[in-house]
Amino acid sequence: ELKVEQNPLFLSMQEGKNYTIYCNYSTTSDRLYWYRQDPGKSLESLFVLLSNGAVKQEGRLMASLDTKARLSTLHITAAVHDLSATYFCAVDGPYLTVEGSQGNLIFGKGTKLSVKP
Amino acid sequence: DTEVTQTPKHLVMGMTNKKSLKCEQHMGHRAMYWYKQKAKKPPELMFVYSYEKLSINESVPSRFSPECPNSSLLNLHLHALQPEDSALYLCASSPTHDGEQYFGPGTRLTVT
Repeated sequence: ELKVEQNPLFLSMQEGKNYTIYCNYSTTSDRLYWYRQDPGKSLESLFVLLSNGAVKQEGRLMASLDTKARLSTLHITAAVHDLSATYFCAVDGPYLTVEGSQGNLIFGKGTKLSVKP
Repeated sequence: DTEVTQTPKHLVMGMTNKKSLKCEQHMGHRAMYWYKQKAKKPPELMFVYSYEKLSINESVPSRFSPECPNSSLLNLHLHALQPEDSALYLCASSPTHDGEQYFGPGTRLTVT
């Protein structure tokens, strides 16, 4: 069974500090996704990491993927309050059962980030 | 048009009601998805349509019935729901069955 584990699940940071969220997954996957979700809102796609060694940056967030270690990281630089949200990582799950149809995402439990002044 | 839309935004229904959720995208995506998200939990996949063909997630009760009238539209028909079905229902689409998924704003469903 494919498992996706994130840690920490809760993160309280001060503005201006740096921190890293970790995402481990249990079976081979060449792609990993990071999403952001604000309370009561939908999921916003942040990064799609497509290959081993991939690194992507957007503003204060940087994501990386190590497929050999089955590990992705989301690094936050100089946090600001606007980054407060829940962050999910997800990987491609196993094929579904009906012939010809594939593709589902397996999500981690999410990391609730709170950035305080 | 680069977004996935969902209606209604909020829905309150009784356990004997029949209602439908609607999802639409005009990005030419050929795969569409329904997810259920309970509070403080990650989304859980319910159904996938790929090239208008249904993939069934075997753990979904029959009181949830999906329908894909065309490649742009996805419905979720609800009947005889239980209070534990109250959740945020998210629709997503992707260019192909294994592409990046784009999520709609969701429908907040409350079953009374």
